[in-house]
Amino acid sequence: AQKVTQAQTEISVVEKEDVTLDCVYETRDTTYYLFWYKQPPSGELVFLIRRNSFDEQNEISGRYSWNFQKSTSSFNFTITASQVVDSAVYFCALSERGRGYKLSFGAGTTVTVRA
Amino acid sequence: GAGVSQSPSNKVTEKGKDVELRCDPISGHTALYWYRQSLGQGLEFLIYFQGNSAPDKSGLPSDRFSAERTGGSVSTLTIQRTQQEDSAVYLCASSPTLNEKLFFGSGTQLSVL
Repeated sequence: AQKVTQAQTEISVVEKEDVTLDCVYETRDTTYYLFWYKQPPSGELVFLIRRNSFDEQNEISGRYSWNFQKSTSSFNFTITASQVVDSAVYFCALSERGRGYKLSFGAGTTVTVRA
Repeated sequence: GAGVSQSPSNKVTEKGKDVELRCDPISGHTALYWYRQSLGQGLEFLIYFQGNSAPDKSGLPSDRFSAERTGGSVSTLTIQRTQQEDSAVYLCASSPTLNEKLFFGSGTQLSVL
């Protein structure tokens, strides 16, 4: 069975602060995919990143960066210099090879960025 | 259309009634998914369609739930004899192929009174 844990329920920061969202996963598969999705108040889940289990390179996209560490089964997400528009619920998710359509989502972390 | 379209956006029904939720995926996407989002259970996989293959229905919570996809495009999720615990946001998503990123619709908020 696979499981994704996002221990932080809510995070509140002031604009321009950095914020890191933790994600820890469990899986018995050696091939799997990890995702982050953003759900703004409008409700539509927006894809942010997909990473396969063989690619441990960290990735940066603008103010977003991801740290994938297989040794600790973690796939953490950092927003640098946060902005009010970053306020949303962020979900980490896992899928296994062969059943890539079945995403197991974490409970989500609500990020509130105050002006 | 440009994105995944779901209708209705909101549905209020009485316990015991049947409801149909519609999803129009992005044109050309062969994979279509239904997920459910509720306060108690979070985001849960319901069903998956890929081309002409048999769908994976393993996430459907009971036999009151069914879904079909006609012509490889539009999908309908049907809930028969609705119960209060069916109240949730039902999300549809599509992707070009398997293991690609999912494009989600805005969901249908279902409230069973």
